[in-house]
Amino acid sequence: DTGVSQDPRHKITKRGQNVTFRCDPISEHNRLYWYRQTLGQGPEFLTYFQNEAQLEKSRLLSDRFSAERPKGSFSTLEIQRTEQGDSAMYLCASSSPNRISSYNEQFFGPGTRLTVL
Amino acid sequence: AQSVTQPDIHITVSEGASLELRCNYSYGATPYLFWYVQSPGQGLQLLLKYFSGDTLVQGIKGFEAEFKRSQSSFNLRKPSVHWSDAAEYFCAVGARRGGSQGNLIFGKGTKLSVKP
Repeated sequence: DTGVSQDPRHKITKRGQNVTFRCDPISEHNRLYWYRQTLGQGPEFLTYFQNEAQLEKSRLLSDRFSAERPKGSFSTLEIQRTEQGDSAMYLCASSSPNRISSYNEQFFGPGTRLTVL
Repeated sequence: AQSVTQPDIHITVSEGASLELRCNYSYGATPYLFWYVQSPGQGLQLLLKYFSGDTLVQGIKGFEAEFKRSQSSFNLRKPSVHWSDAAEYFCAVGARRGGSQGNLIFGKGTKLSVKP
């Protein structure tokens, strides 16, 4: 399977605990994105990387959230001191520069569903 | 502010009937436009995209969408719905240049149910 993979698929944690999610993009894609999706809403952008550089962060990404992509391949998203409001699906996507357009179509992974008790 | 509106939260159609899902956007210029589909518990699959050129675009699974600049719309259509099309559909826009080129803005989605 050469799609975007995410691990774990489900995570249940207690309020105040730290959690870390992993995303492995499509191998030749140099851009990697994180989104959050809550019930009844569309995905909301959190941050994105081009290779190992984090180029943009949403205001949704509070100080408790940190994302890394140390070698420009897989990425991790860590949430410290989780709160019940962090319960959501966390989606990862990747893309590659397109010769025709300056924008990239993003390919999504299956997501990690986080439940904070 | 940039936004995407999908006016219909939930639509039910009979199998074999035609389908149109509405999408309107508010953006400073013509954005890139996308439709994604999400099955329960799954990630998003790209159905089709509009970058430039012909305003009627064809996608996978028999879907098409038409970009209408004057109406700021990008409605998704399918002539004959199959039971397997039951899912949630999301319209999204992205920046062409300048500003944010990493950020897709999504609508809230339209849930499609298909009656036998």
